[in-house]
Amino acid sequence: DVKVTQSSRYLVKRTGEKVFLECVQDMDHENMFWYRQDPGLGLRLIYFSYDVKMKEKGDIPEGYSVSREKKERFSLILESASTNQTSMYLCASSLDFNSASEQFFGPGTRLTVL
Amino acid sequence: AQKITQTQPGMFVQEKEAVTLDCTYDTSDPSYGLFWYKQPSSGEMIFLIYQGSYDQQNATEGRYSLNFQKARKSANLVISASQLGDSAMYFCAMRFRGSTLGRLYFGRGTQLTVWP
Repeated sequence: DVKVTQSSRYLVKRTGEKVFLECVQDMDHENMFWYRQDPGLGLRLIYFSYDVKMKEKGDIPEGYSVSREKKERFSLILESASTNQTSMYLCASSLDFNSASEQFFGPGTRLTVL
Repeated sequence: AQKITQTQPGMFVQEKEAVTLDCTYDTSDPSYGLFWYKQPSSGEMIFLIYQGSYDQQNATEGRYSLNFQKARKSANLVISASQLGDSAMYFCAMRFRGSTLGRLYFGRGTQLTVWP
């Protein structure tokens, strides 16, 4: 079974802090994704990556950066956390670009910024 | 622009009844895939079912089936014999051939509540 794990289920940070959200997948997937989920807005794509050190901006990249130093690990970084970044963050991975290739999701991190 | 629309913010169904969750999409690409995911209160997204645009038959997976109407650009999820454990948020998503790096486009979701 594909496993996507995220470093924390719940996280509380203060405004201005630098925040790291870690995601690890164990199935050698090429593609990895970071989403945020807010009530009534569904899932919105922040960043995605198709290879080590390669990244692409999604729909809402402002205030975020990412790092992919190893194939299995994709980190989301909030350089200076703000209260409007309080949200649920979901990481996902997929094998390839095939239209039938599903995305596998991690359990999510509920981040609260005070 | 690609777009996925789920018009039902919330749905209620009695246990053992069938329920249909609506999803419409908009794309000019002839090759695309449609996905449904379930998200229980625990938060994890669970893949349910997939339909390819060239598939001749509607997809089925156990109690889940997809009512795919290509001309109407709709891909409704049908859950038969609802169970209390089906209470969750349900998301429709699409990937089209030209999607950058195979990204998915998600709808805003429908909250399904199953009552006894």
